[in-house]
Amino acid sequence: QITLKESGPTLVKPTQTLTLTCTFSGFSLSTNGVGVGWIRQPPGKALEWLGIIYWDDDRHYSPSLKSRLTITKDTSKNQVVLTMTNMDPVDTATYFCAHRLEDIVAHWGQGILVTVSS
Amino acid sequence: DIPVTQSPSSLSASVGDRVTITCRTSQSISTFLNWYQQKPGKAPKLLIYSASTLHSGVPSRFSGSGSGTDFSLTITSLQPEDFATYYCQQSYSSLPIFGGGTKVEIK
Repeated sequence: QITLKESGPTLVKPTQTLTLTCTFSGFSLSTNGVGVGWIRQPPGKALEWLGIIYWDDDRHYSPSLKSRLTITKDTSKNQVVLTMTNMDPVDTATYFCAHRLEDIVAHWGQGILVTVSS
Repeated sequence: DIPVTQSPSSLSASVGDRVTITCRTSQSISTFLNWYQQKPGKAPKLLIYSASTLHSGVPSRFSGSGSGTDFSLTITSLQPEDFATYYCQQSYSSLPIFGGGTKVEIK
């Protein structure tokens, strides 16, 4: 059974750096074809892919956020970490991590609401 | 990047209605198109992958079709639990991209 769970701060100040951790079980991020991605959803708005890291350490980021994002993995700990710099109130959103295998993204974490406010 | 245009952004329908949502891409993505259902406060749930394959456990009233640049999700005989927001997602790119969503509301 594949599970994922996001953890990290729920409140950050403007200009601070956000660090979120996705801890997963039921699969290995060293398996060919597997990726773990980050998606966010501002309140009342649409889903937006932020980035993804694959089993071979290949990484892809949203072009509009690329300069602010870093995604890393720790295969031994079954974790993927998202770092987003220079947070702004418009970054207030629920952040999800999700498992991708080939073209299927079927398993998601529950999400974590991050509020950016002074 | 290959953006996805989803329409309509919202619709009102009654229980028992047939509903169709469409997505269009600017270039061919073959059948690399998935559909999700999301309810408030919850993570999205996969309904259909590869444009037309029903995900395990999804009722057969949901169906998907299309290839290339034009895709559709159809719900035959809308049920009360189907009132939600639906998203398409192209998985052709290394980083997937969602459509803007369609909110299905009760008429």
